[in-house]
Parts: sequence; C-alpha cells; structure tokens
Amino acid sequence: AQSVTQPDIHITVSEGASLELRCNYSYGATPYLFWYVQSPGQGLQLLLKYFSGDTLVQGIKGFEAEFKRSQSSFNLRKPSVHWSDAAEYFCAVAAGKAAGNKLTFGGGTRVLVKP
Amino acid sequence: DTGVSQDPRHKITKRGQNVTFRCDPISEHNRLYWYRQTLGQGPEFLTYFQNEAQLEKSRLLSDRFSAERPKGSFSTLEIQRTEQGDSAMYLCASSLVVDINNEQFFGPGTRLTVL
Repeated sequence: AQSVTQPDIHITVSEGASLELRCNYSYGATPYLFWYVQSPGQGLQLLLKYFSGDTLVQGIKGFEAEFKRSQSSFNLRKPSVHWSDAAEYFCAVAAGKAAGNKLTFGGGTRVLVKP
Repeated sequence: DTGVSQDPRHKITKRGQNVTFRCDPISEHNRLYWYRQTLGQGPEFLTYFQNEAQLEKSRLLSDRFSAERPKGSFSTLEIQRTEQGDSAMYLCASSLVVDINNEQFFGPGTRLTVL
C-alpha cells in the first residue's frame, strides 16, 4: 500500500524568504504525485502534479516541486514567500487506475509566515 | 460550472443522531470520491463512485456509514447513530475518469461536530 510522509508538522518562515516543504512517498510503481494547499475554512486546491517527464514541475502561485525517484521524494519549493502563503500543505500520491486513482495524503505541513 | 459543492458546510449534532451530507460534483465528472479529514491530519479516503456504482469502500467506513450516488450525479453520505469520533471534515472530490491527469477537484467540505 502506498504511503506519504511529511516530516515537518510546522514551518515558520519570514516573508520574502524561501520555503521548502518535504515529502517522502512509498509506492511500488511510477507514482502520480500531487501537492495541495488548504487555507482555513477552504477546500483543497491543487498546486501542482507530477506524472512523468521533466522531474521539475511548475505549479500555480510560484510554487515548484522536484521529483527524485532515488530518494522517493517530491519536495515543494517557493523562492520568495508571501504572507498569503500561510496555509496547510498536503502532499499526496494516487493509487493506480485499477485502484480508482484514490489519493493517499501525508499528514500536512502548516506554514506560518512572519512579517 | 462553479466547481464541486457540498451542503451543509457545517453540521452540529448530538451523539446518536443521524446526519446526511450532500455533494454535487462538477457536471460531466463520472468519478466521485469521499474523504474524511480529522483535526491536524491529512484527508483519508472513504469511498468512491464511478457513475452510480460504488466501487470501493475503505475499512474506515463502518456499517454506520452509507453513501449513494443515484443516477450518477450528486452523492449523499449518511452517518447513522453518530459518535463523537465521527467529528471531522468530510470532503468530496470529483474527476473525469478519461482524464489521464486524473485531477480531483475538491469541494469546500462539510464540518461535522458531534456533541
């Protein structure tokens, strides 16, 4: 069964500083990987996804993520954080087609942005 | 189309009562998923439908839970004899099965509080 680990529960970053959120996955085949963001009282919004090809994926809101198969990682980065980036971030892996592509999420990383 | 909608957004109930939530997916989306998110955790898969057929149920879905998707459009999730442990955010997502990217679009969720 697939699993996702987000080692950092909370991260505090100053506005304008860079941000990196870690994600490690366990999956037997080529993974379909996702990063979602959840603001208070809101649903999940997709930031970016990886299926194949270029291992550096660009997403919305200036985010990017890099897939590293050798490390089973899919870390999310942003060069310069804005106050509006304060939210909870979830990494997820999709089960294959035969399993309905259901998502397995990590526990999330809450990002706090200091002025 | 305005995306996935869920109703109600909040529900407070007393232990032992029955509750029902509704999810309206994006029109034309033939896949519909239910997830549950408890405080401080990532969402966990509960069940999914393809059209009107319920194809998988998680072990998290006890006998007190039932989900339907009549006519393959909206879906309902009913919890009978609610327990305090059922308090959580219930998220619905929809996707198009032929979409190779299998992007799931999430609704805003229904927050259930069982007193």
